[in-house]
Amino acid sequence: EVQLVQSGAEVKKPGESLRISCQGSGYRFTNYWIGWVRQMPGKGLEWMGIIYPGDSDTRYSPSFQGLVTVSADMSTSTAYLQWHSLQASDTAIYFCARLQAGKAFNYWGQGTLVSVSS
Amino acid sequence: DIQMTQSPSTLSASVGDRVTITCRANQTVTGWLAWYQQKPGKAPKLLIYRASSLESGVPSRFSGSGSGTEFTLTITNLQPDDFASYYCQHCDSYSLSCTFGQGTKLEI
Repeated sequence: EVQLVQSGAEVKKPGESLRISCQGSGYRFTNYWIGWVRQMPGKGLEWMGIIYPGDSDTRYSPSFQGLVTVSADMSTSTAYLQWHSLQASDTAIYFCARLQAGKAFNYWGQGTLVSVSS
Repeated sequence: DIQMTQSPSTLSASVGDRVTITCRANQTVTGWLAWYQQKPGKAPKLLIYRASSLESGVPSRFSGSGSGTEFTLTITNLQPDDFASYYCQHCDSYSLSCTFGQGTKLEI
């Protein structure tokens, strides 16, 4: 069974750094793109970026380029989303999702709530 | 950049109704168009991919169509479980740059 399991909720202060994770299981992790999606409170879905764990090829939305870093560790089948300096506007739920051959995300993590407040 | 615009933003309907949600792109997309259902506090669920292919396990009352710049999601015989938010999404097959529509809330 394919599963993406994300790390738990985080409460951080502005200016702090953070890395959240998404561990895949039940399939060959290196063979599928993993994307990250933001959902701000009461808002829609926003695509942030995507990584191919097999060779770490990474693409970013222009809206998020330079603001976050996407990475992956093949040895632990885990993808990461990282911030170096959080802002209150980063408060959101973040989902990871696996991209299928039809360019749709067919498996999703449960989401990680990130709260940033002073 | 490709932008996807959904309409309507909110849709009121009743159990048993047939509804249609539209997604328009600001330029021609190659058919890599997907539809998702999302309920509050949950991850999105894939319904349709490649514009008209039904994801495994999704009821046949959901269907997708369209090409070029205009795509539709149709739900027939609405069930209580269908009241949720729906999103379209496109990923460019070369750049893998992806975009979601702004969403449609289907309410009773």
